[in-house]
Amino acid sequence: EPEVTQTPSHQVTQMGQEVILRCVPISNHLYFYWYRQILGQKVEFLVSFYNNEISEKSEIFDDQFSVERPDGSNFTLKIRSTKLEDSAMYFCATERALGYEQYFGPGTRLTVT
Amino acid sequence: KQEVTQIPAALSVPEGENLVLNCSFTDSAIYNLQWFRQDPGKGLTSLLLIQSSQREQTSGRLNASLDKSSGRSTLYIAASQPGDSATYLCAVRRGNNDMRFGAGTRLTVKP
Repeated sequence: EPEVTQTPSHQVTQMGQEVILRCVPISNHLYFYWYRQILGQKVEFLVSFYNNEISEKSEIFDDQFSVERPDGSNFTLKIRSTKLEDSAMYFCATERALGYEQYFGPGTRLTVT
Repeated sequence: KQEVTQIPAALSVPEGENLVLNCSFTDSAIYNLQWFRQDPGKGLTSLLLIQSSQREQTSGRLNASLDKSSGRSTLYIAASQPGDSATYLCAVRRGNNDMRFGAGTRLTVKP
């Protein structure tokens, strides 16, 4: 069964450093999402991406964040200058078409020290 | 602003029991509602998706209902098993993209 994959599974970085989280969507899916879950808190929507552009973003997704699909397969989330409060589990999700089920990857645990 | 609440926060039942998990949301203008399962330290596994025009969906021992007018959804698990132990999340989709999650119900099924 096709699945969403994410790399790395765990990333430790120092405050102020840039990180790139990677996701490989299910192959025939067209809509892509990033969510985060701070330990012990709810899963929060960050951004949605369709047709090579952002379709919606939350108030969390400020200028420090960016997304792209550089090579037609990977979908990446970049945090330019990490802060301690960026420590969280980051999930990628993909969807075949709008309004269908979203399928989540296993997540990347980001730890900012 | 859409708020999603799940009650109870935690539930412990003996194996074989039927159980109901509750999800409520404040804005009835939803696009769809999705139930997920999350095992500790893992990603989310989709269980059921209910579109706003539907009343219920079934998959195996799981049945989810949706009452948009009252802002409620329930997830019914029949004949619970220890392998059902996990956190169950409901997520409400408003508009085309933004999905709002509840905090989850942590279910423990004792053998």
